Amino acid sequence: KAGVTQTPRYLIKTRGQQVTLSCSPISGHRSVSWYQQTPGQGLQFLFEYFSETQRNKGNFPGRFSGRQFSNSRSEMNVSTLELGDSALYLCASSLALSLAGPTNTGELFFGEGSRLTVL
Amino acid sequence: AQSVAQPEDQVNVAEGNPLTVKCTYSVSGNPYLFWYVQYPNRGLQFLLKYITGDNLVKGSYGFEAEFNKSQTSFHLKKPSALVSDSALYFCAVRAPDTGRRALTFGSGTRLQVQP
Repeated sequence: KAGVTQTPRYLIKTRGQQVTLSCSPISGHRSVSWYQQTPGQGLQFLFEYFSETQRNKGNFPGRFSGRQFSNSRSEMNVSTLELGDSALYLCASSLALSLAGPTNTGELFFGEGSRLTVL
Repeated sequence: AQSVAQPEDQVNVAEGNPLTVKCTYSVSGNPYLFWYVQYPNRGLQFLLKYITGDNLVKGSYGFEAEFNKSQTSFHLKKPSALVSDSALYFCAVRAPDTGRRALTFGSGTRLQVQP
């Protein structure tokens, strides 16, 4: 079974540009979450999508946005890049049969990440 | 609000010795607890989870963790460390009773196993 696939793995942008990152979840997984990982702030939750709808959002500015498609694939976009946006962006999928319930333990399966460098 | 504390930035242990990586949590209601491992330039790999039931849970690669409700802890353990266990370890919590689905991660603990 293929794991979570993130593209691109590495990218370099300059301040003010925008970037789009892509995530394909494990087949059958309908929930996709995004996390930002930096040495200073650690792992921070960005947002979660389920059935093409954003279900949860972390404490990030509006420059960070995302969406999910009908095949559960997800993209996140960062506009007007700042130096502080340099980070490893991790996508995770989970088997969310419903928003709540005993089968939804919240276990996440992560991709390899997209490492963004902003110059 | 839910939170996770990993009090040690780094843990050093000799190969063959037992290892413990500490984690304490704060959450409303019953917690779902997880351990993940991250190797350099890789994503996070799931090790084990506690949802309910037996306080001692066993996971991948010989790791286990003990849930202690009174001490709000979920320490990761392994009886005999391997050099290949050297990596960054994250503890995470989720509080399903609150309706908040996202995992909250600790700051991570770097495990260094010396040969």
